[in-house]
Amino acid sequence: ETGVTQSPTHLIKTRGQQVTLRCSSQSGHNTVSWYQQALGQGPQFIFQYYREEENGRGNFPPRFSGLQFPNYSSELNVNALELDDSALYLCASSARGSGRKPGELFFGEGSRLTVL
Amino acid sequence: GESVGLHLPTLSVQEGDNSIINCAYSNSASDYFIWYKQESGKGPQFIIDIRSNMDKRQGQRVTVLLNKTVKHLSLQIAATQPGDSAVYFCAEIKAAGNKLTFGGGTRVLVKP
Repeated sequence: ETGVTQSPTHLIKTRGQQVTLRCSSQSGHNTVSWYQQALGQGPQFIFQYYREEENGRGNFPPRFSGLQFPNYSSELNVNALELDDSALYLCASSARGSGRKPGELFFGEGSRLTVL
Repeated sequence: GESVGLHLPTLSVQEGDNSIINCAYSNSASDYFIWYKQESGKGPQFIIDIRSNMDKRQGQRVTVLLNKTVKHLSLQIAATQPGDSAVYFCAEIKAAGNKLTFGGGTRVLVKP
């Protein structure tokens, strides 16, 4: 168990709809990253949040947006859903600071989104 | 462009044998190379990392080898167990970076 929880675990939407995915980070972790994982592929970086601000973004359009709250939990919002948005969305938390391994993220089990 | 990829999509291993998973990377500027394990229905789990100025690092039953000359990374699992059945991803990151770049994954199947 990583201590990172995501909700919902599964959901089905139709094209054009909007979706909000939620993530609670591990206790003591102040950084949250979101990844999209298409079936049979490696996760792709969407963006990262640190101190409630976006701290880096991958190659995803503006209709992918996020929030981080004072308790370090986070949301991923996707507007105008497309069929290709069907994927597993993974949240990962980490702690900024000396002594941490840069590549060690703690992932949740993901939210499986299906767009019809 | 940047990419981290894998040679073999599926690896079948007899229980008790050693497993070797390979990965080729193209971004020489990365500072850390990492292996993650993803079991069915779960998120990726950190296994081990290696800094770019090292060529070998050992953990519990796992060893990561880095060959910068040919841009090759490998993960060796000793005495493979049924619980090692999963998809393994290599990934890379810069020391001050904020994103992991993952490869496409290798599925390891452990036969009893």
